[in-house]
Amino acid sequence: QSVLTQPPSVSGAPGQRVTISCTGSSSNIGAAYDVHWYQQLPGTAPKLLIYGDNNRPSGVPDRFSGSKSGTSASLAITGLQAEDEADYYCQSYDSRTLYVFGTGTKVTVL
Amino acid sequence: QVQLVQSGAEVKKPGASVKVSCKASGYTFAAYYIHWVRQAPGQGLEWMGRINPDSGGTNSAQKFQGRVAMTRDTSISTAYMELSSLTSDDTAVYYCARWNGQPGLDYWGQGTLVTVSS
Repeated sequence: QSVLTQPPSVSGAPGQRVTISCTGSSSNIGAAYDVHWYQQLPGTAPKLLIYGDNNRPSGVPDRFSGSKSGTSASLAITGLQAEDEADYYCQSYDSRTLYVFGTGTKVTVL
Repeated sequence: QVQLVQSGAEVKKPGASVKVSCKASGYTFAAYYIHWVRQAPGQGLEWMGRINPDSGGTNSAQKFQGRVAMTRDTSISTAYMELSSLTSDDTAVYYCARWNGQPGLDYWGQGTLVTVSS
């Protein structure tokens, strides 16, 4: 089972702001290892959304942002759009289990 | 452009092995680790392991140690993941992805569905 815990689901109306938490421990996020976020649209491979805690790859809208504090990280989506409906996963390195993914969060646009 | 193209879907019987390939193009294959990630139906992403295409060195999640073998053929820029002693719990989509250091897993293959059924 994953050592990074995310809420199973979050939802919001178009235009709203939603946040997804990713809670880890002192062996992963708390040890200052980078946190990355991936977006997975239905039936497709995951896509890198945020890397190195708070950096966006080229082409990712600035509506997406990442942050980290202590043993947790967060992904924020501002100005929620219908196309943002997807599953989101955080990922980091863990000194005990090597690479780990979060449990995943389904974002629903109401 | 960077591409990772995986082999096609497989159906295997319990106890068998499966070997999935991942052909890289558009970059220097030996310069970036390849990671393997799987996703069971309706479930989340699970990290399986990684291979250094330059040295061939590997690391795998404890859960798969002794059952997974990751190899590569640098002459054709292809990485392989072989999983043995399959059970129905191994039914999943298997992805390869390129690790770019701080930028994380920046390119992914399209996925390979492996179905284990008697």
